[in-house]
Formats: sequence, structure tokens, C-alpha cells
Amino acid sequence: GAVVSQHPSRVICKSGTSVKIECRSLDFQATTMFWYRQFPKQSLMLMATSNEGSKATYEQGVEKDKFLINHASLTLSTLTVTSAHPEDSSFYICSASNRDWGYTFGSGTRLTVV
Amino acid sequence: GENVEQHPSTLSVQEGDSAVIKCTYSDSASNYFPWYKQELGKRPQLIIDIRSNVGEKKDQRIAVTLNKTAKHFSLHITETQPEDSAVYFCAARGSNSGYALNFGKGTSLLVTP
Repeated sequence: GAVVSQHPSRVICKSGTSVKIECRSLDFQATTMFWYRQFPKQSLMLMATSNEGSKATYEQGVEKDKFLINHASLTLSTLTVTSAHPEDSSFYICSASNRDWGYTFGSGTRLTVV
Repeated sequence: GENVEQHPSTLSVQEGDSAVIKCTYSDSASNYFPWYKQELGKRPQLIIDIRSNVGEKKDQRIAVTLNKTAKHFSLHITETQPEDSAVYFCAARGSNSGYALNFGKGTSLLVTP
């Protein structure tokens, strides 16, 4: 079946630094990648939608200059949290879609900003 | 955009009983409704889904019903087992946000032996 590999699974960084999270679709071409954020005991909140080769579309309230998304190929999308602060600590998870109704989730990244 | 409401937020049942979780959605153009089970710190796991041209779907102990007119759909788990304990999320695939899934707030299901 479809597999999305997400790295790192866990990262601790200092305030003010940047962190890059990668999602790779291993056995299919992900035409669209969705990035979600999940705070403890809460739901998955959509941050942005990206299509290969085009700029990401951000949800209201999500700062595009802070959460940089790159979807340069059909198999790789990255989310960079820039100038991270403790309030950015969360579980970040990607979901790839290949227009075949399927949504495949990455394993998630637990970000802790200290 | 799509707004998905989910109830209840917590549900406790005894082993062997049934559990029902209900969701409503706002976008009448939504056409795909998956249900996910998520264990702590893990990715959501698809357990069943239904498309808008179908009213009901069943897979062993799990079933989903969809009422397009009322814009609500429900998850039914029969003969619950302790290993069913987890957080369950409903979602709807709307017509906005590039066809992203919009999730309900989740239901924490506890099945006690």
C-alpha cells in the first residue's frame, strides 16, 4: 500500500532556531500534500495545502513566512518551522494524496521548542 | 470552509456493548467521509470510509452510515473490545482547501473489561 515516510519523528530545538520536517511518498506520486498540526488532546488542524511545483495555500491564521512549505517534487514535501518558539511545540503530520481519493499519513513529528 | 462537529467528546462502554459516534458537516459539496482511529503519539489509522453515493457501509464490527440530506454521518462499533479504546476522528473531504480532510474534534473511547 501507499507509504509516506516522515522525518524526524522527534526533535527538540532551541527558541529562535529553525527546524525542517520532511515527508516522502515512497511508492506513489503525491500530487498534493497536506500539513496538519495537532496539539495535545486536540484534533488535527489543517495548516496548509501544497501541490507539486506551486506555492502552498495556507489556512487562515497560519503564518506563511513562519511555516515554509516546499513541494518541489511529486515525492517530497518539506515544512520548515522558522524562528521556532515554545508555542510552536506540537505534533506535525503530513498527509499525501494522489487524487485517487486516498490520503496517506506520515508518522508525525513531535516538535519541542525549549 | 468545511466545519465538522463530532459528539460525544468522551465515551465509556463496557466490553461487548456497542459504541456510536456522530458527526455533522456543513459543506453540502463534501463527498468523502473517513473515520480514523488514533493512538497516542501515532498517525491516524483509517478504519472505514464512505462516499456520498452510498448510505451505509460495513466492515465486520464497524459500520458507517451517511445521511446526506441531514449532513450527518455516524460510526457504529459493535461487540466492543478493550483494544478498541483510542481516540476516533471523523473527517469530511470538502470542496475547499484543495480537497483537504477537515477533522472533527475527536472522541475518546474507553472500553472497560
